[in-house]
Amino acid sequence: GQNIDQPTEMTATEGAIVQINCTYQTSGFNGLFWYQQHAGEAPTFLSYNVLDGLEEKGRFSSFLSRSKGYSYLLLKELQMKDSASYLCAVSPSYGQNFVFGPGTRLSVLP
Amino acid sequence: DTAVSQTPKYLVTQMGNDKSIKCEQNLGHDTMYWYKQDSKKFLKIMFSYNNKELIINETVPNRFSPKSPDKAHLNLHINSLELGDSAVYFCASSQGLAESNEQFFGPGTRLTVL
Repeated sequence: GQNIDQPTEMTATEGAIVQINCTYQTSGFNGLFWYQQHAGEAPTFLSYNVLDGLEEKGRFSSFLSRSKGYSYLLLKELQMKDSASYLCAVSPSYGQNFVFGPGTRLSVLP
Repeated sequence: DTAVSQTPKYLVTQMGNDKSIKCEQNLGHDTMYWYKQDSKKFLKIMFSYNNKELIINETVPNRFSPKSPDKAHLNLHINSLELGDSAVYFCASSQGLAESNEQFFGPGTRLTVL
């Protein structure tokens, strides 16, 4: 089976740094995505990792360790608009048959 | 211009009815998908089409029938609606089937079955 775990909820303060973890056990691995989803809106792409290491993109960075089945999304200089759900998704096989995690709802407080 | 559009945005209907949701993308993508997001916010793939051909058909009741008249459109028809079908349905598209291709999601259709 395919299983992806993320914390359900996190809270952080404006200006701080937060790390959202994702662990996965899938039958195969062909890449990991992070998506952001604001309440009542569609998910939007944040990052893609297929090799081990850190990918940095502005205030957001994503890390992958394939041997550990682990990824994290790092958000720096948090802003109120970063309050959203963050979805981890893995492609276990060829093609885009993604398996999405349950999402982590992040609340950024002033 | 909206990249991936869906209609309607909201759909409220009675159990047993048949309804359709339409999706169109103007990105020139080859691959389109339907996802279901339930009340617990789990996003689960239902179907994917590549160049109008069905690629993925997850364990979905056969009351759900996708139709792709061309690469830019993927419609979802649902027969004999049930209470458990209430959810938000997202259409998405990607350039192709390569794993690195990000998916672009439509705004979602909130289906409520009474």
